[in-house]
Amino acid sequence: DAGITQSPRHKVTETGTPVTLRCHQTENHRYMYWYRQDPGHGLRLIHYSYGVKDTDKGEVSDGYSVSRSKTEDFLLTLESATSSQTSVYFCAISESAAGEQYFGPGTRLTVT
Amino acid sequence: GENVEQHPSTLSVQEGDSAVIKCTYSDSASNYFPWYKQELGKGPQLIIDIRSNVGEKKDQRIAVTLNKTAKHFSLHITETQPEDSAVYFCAASDSGSGGSNYKLTFGKGTLLTVNP
Repeated sequence: DAGITQSPRHKVTETGTPVTLRCHQTENHRYMYWYRQDPGHGLRLIHYSYGVKDTDKGEVSDGYSVSRSKTEDFLLTLESATSSQTSVYFCAISESAAGEQYFGPGTRLTVT
Repeated sequence: GENVEQHPSTLSVQEGDSAVIKCTYSDSASNYFPWYKQELGKGPQLIIDIRSNVGEKKDQRIAVTLNKTAKHFSLHITETQPEDSAVYFCAASDSGSGGSNYKLTFGKGTLLTVNP
């Protein structure tokens, strides 16, 4: 998985609780992305980062925030989890804007 | 924004046969088209990609073709093997063209089953 780890790999949480997912890379790539994957929707971009402290919204950013204080770490936070945020979350990295994206192993999040 | 349609949603072939998955895109500015393979419980794995300055690219049993005029691209797998069974995703991106839209838009995926 191209030097990408995600933690936790599985999480069950209750509606209304905050949740933070972590993506860690050892490739020193500038760009990092968070996607969610749901049946019938494929992969959809939540947020992405183009450098330390530089982030922007993707297609489905409502209810999510991100932070990147170091090159190697990109955090995804659900401030108040809802059942609609039950999904598999993938982190991806790329060396450049036009470069290939490589995905991590994913985090399965269940909101009850 | 970009819209990517992928067909078929499921494909079943016999071992040794060829498999073809097709995608169409809407944004004529898109210039990068990767294909990913996802096995159960794993993250998507980049298997091949093509940029708009070429019409075809091959890597062993896998090839991708691009028709920019018609705005469609296809994945071809020859001599399929049971280990090719997985979900395949196409994607499109307007990357490196000077704009800020270097985000991938994915198709909904094709479940390929290769029967021994």
